[in-house]
Amino acid sequence: DQQVKQNSPSLSVQEGRISILNCDYTNSMFDYFLWYKKYPAEGPTFLISISSIKDKNEDGRFTVFLNKSAKHLSLHIVPSQPGDSAVYFCAATPSGGYQKVTFGTGTKLQVIP
Amino acid sequence: SAVISQKPSRDICQRGTSLTIQCQVDSQVTMMFWYRQQPGQSLTLIATANQGSEATYESGFVIDKFPISRPNLTFSTLTVSNMSPEDSSIYLCSAAMAGGPYNEQFFGPGTRLTVL
Repeated sequence: DQQVKQNSPSLSVQEGRISILNCDYTNSMFDYFLWYKKYPAEGPTFLISISSIKDKNEDGRFTVFLNKSAKHLSLHIVPSQPGDSAVYFCAATPSGGYQKVTFGTGTKLQVIP
Repeated sequence: SAVISQKPSRDICQRGTSLTIQCQVDSQVTMMFWYRQQPGQSLTLIATANQGSEATYESGFVIDKFPISRPNLTFSTLTVSNMSPEDSSIYLCSAAMAGGPYNEQFFGPGTRLTVL
């Protein structure tokens, strides 16, 4: 049972345009969400997170939006740059102490110069 | 933040053998974890490595197959025992900083394992 779903395995975007990566979840206990970026031959690196008490969190070119009623979140990258080409993992966890992080299957973003 | 290194970075092993993967963190961390990423799939948590005690395994993973050690706050090993081709995967070590959010983990570069 895939509790965190990234239905688009890949996405291509022109440099300078907006990249939108989507993620859906099914577990109502999830209330903290994270995005990780992974380059080939490297481990994932933490990018941005959002708590369920917010519907938006912004960090530079990266913004994460959360729609709790739809159990949906998205990562927006504006403007997209070739260095953003990587695999992006959505992840979710319940809050309160240590809780297991559940990852999606990833979306491979290619930013075309 | 923390810098995490893993050894080996990759290996090709024969069926029935075992491989031990080492994970070293450059600073003291509260928690260390081991994940597996099979081709085209998400990161799956194998276990939480507990310092000085037995690891906590997730459903579907057992100590006899994946023994884990964590002798101190900065080092852990994962052994993949009696390997079969189905164990071919990327194995990742991660850590959460002391005093930081447990879920914002730092990852090592991974160990790519191929079992023939």
